[in-house]
Amino acid sequence: AQSVTQLDSHVSVSEGTPVLLRCNYSSSYSPSLFWYVQHPNKGLQLLLKYTSAATLVKGINGFEAEFKKSETSFHLTKPSAHMSDAAEYFCVVSDIREAAGNKLTFGGGTRVLVKP
Amino acid sequence: DGGITQSPKYLFRKEGQNVTLSCEQNLNHDAMYWYRQDPGQGLRLIYYSQIVNDFQKGDIAEGYSVSREKKESFPLTVTSAQKNPTAFYLCASSEPGQGSYEQYFGPGTRLTVT
Repeated sequence: AQSVTQLDSHVSVSEGTPVLLRCNYSSSYSPSLFWYVQHPNKGLQLLLKYTSAATLVKGINGFEAEFKKSETSFHLTKPSAHMSDAAEYFCVVSDIREAAGNKLTFGGGTRVLVKP
Repeated sequence: DGGITQSPKYLFRKEGQNVTLSCEQNLNHDAMYWYRQDPGQGLRLIYYSQIVNDFQKGDIAEGYSVSREKKESFPLTVTSAQKNPTAFYLCASSEPGQGSYEQYFGPGTRLTVT
């Protein structure tokens, strides 16, 4: 079975300061990991993905995440927050077994507030 | 312009009525999914379909039904048996076998049942 824990339900940062969103996962198989962003009343947009290639993954809008197998973590960072980064962020793990139908397991989400 | 469309964006129904949410994709993806999202929570899988004319229950299928008669369409019916149907519903699609496994999401339908 797979699971995802996002360690912070809310994160508040000032514009221009770094953002860190923490995610730990559990998976019985080699996982694929994703970060998605959701703005209010919108669908989810893929920020970045890890699929067993480079452990440091760069995504859109200046975000990046590092896969650390020994720590079972996949934390999301951005060096300098922008007001437009205010949204909810989901860490997601995928069970890649065909029989599982490529099901995704979502973390509970981290809501980011950016203060001017 | 490729993507997933969901309609309507907002839907209001009276308790005891069935309601069908539309999901259409032009990405030529084989797999499609329905999720439910409640305030402050992550997404929970309702149903998924890996191929036309086949679908499986997800984690919270009770009170819902789906069909997959065409590759591009995966409508979800919320029946009167669903005890708490008010939620935000998201449809997604993916192409398993391409090695990356990400899902592409529609804009969602917010259903309110009173």
